[in-house]
Amino acid sequence: KAGVTQTPRYLIKTRGQQVTLSCSPISGHRSVSWYQQTPGQGLQFLFEYFSETQRNKGNFPGRFSGRQFSNSRSEMNVSTLELGDSALYLCASTSGPGNEQFFGPGTRLTVL
Amino acid sequence: DQQVKQNSPSLSVQEGRISILNCDYTNSMFDYFLWYKKYPAEGPTFLISISSIKDKNEDGRFTVFLNKSAKHLSLHIVPSQPGDSAVYFCAASHQGAQKLVFGQGTRLTINP
Repeated sequence: KAGVTQTPRYLIKTRGQQVTLSCSPISGHRSVSWYQQTPGQGLQFLFEYFSETQRNKGNFPGRFSGRQFSNSRSEMNVSTLELGDSALYLCASTSGPGNEQFFGPGTRLTVL
Repeated sequence: DQQVKQNSPSLSVQEGRISILNCDYTNSMFDYFLWYKKYPAEGPTFLISISSIKDKNEDGRFTVFLNKSAKHLSLHIVPSQPGDSAVYFCAASHQGAQKLVFGQGTRLTINP
């Protein structure tokens, strides 16, 4: 069974631009969550999607948004990029509540 | 307010010995706990989990202990192997929510 895949693996953007990251969950998993990892704040929850609906949201500004498609693939978008948005963005999928989340390799975003 | 804390940023253990990684939490609503292992530039890899209805869960060389009264969990790795060298994160969630709250991580180094 293929794992969680994320594209692209690396991105370099400049301040003010916007970016879209993509995540394909493990086949059969309908829940997709996004996390941000930075050296200062660690791993922080961004949001979770299930059946194309956002179920949970972390404490991030509205510049961070996401969506999920009918095939469970998910995208997250960050608009008006700031230097502090430089981070590893991780996507995780799970088969259901109370089950472990499986993470993808992440997208390393650098904002210059 | 950090709800999940790993107070040891690093730990060094001799190969073949036991590694014990600790984690404390403050939110008594947490009812599901997980340990992840992470290598640089990769996503976290799920190791083992425990529900709050249990106080111990074993999987091969990995055992997780949960002390609800102390709001403390620990991961034991026996015997430790060089391939165990990585950063270990504990995480917690409640009521089946897919929002994981992570600790800051402990870097484990296994010395030959």
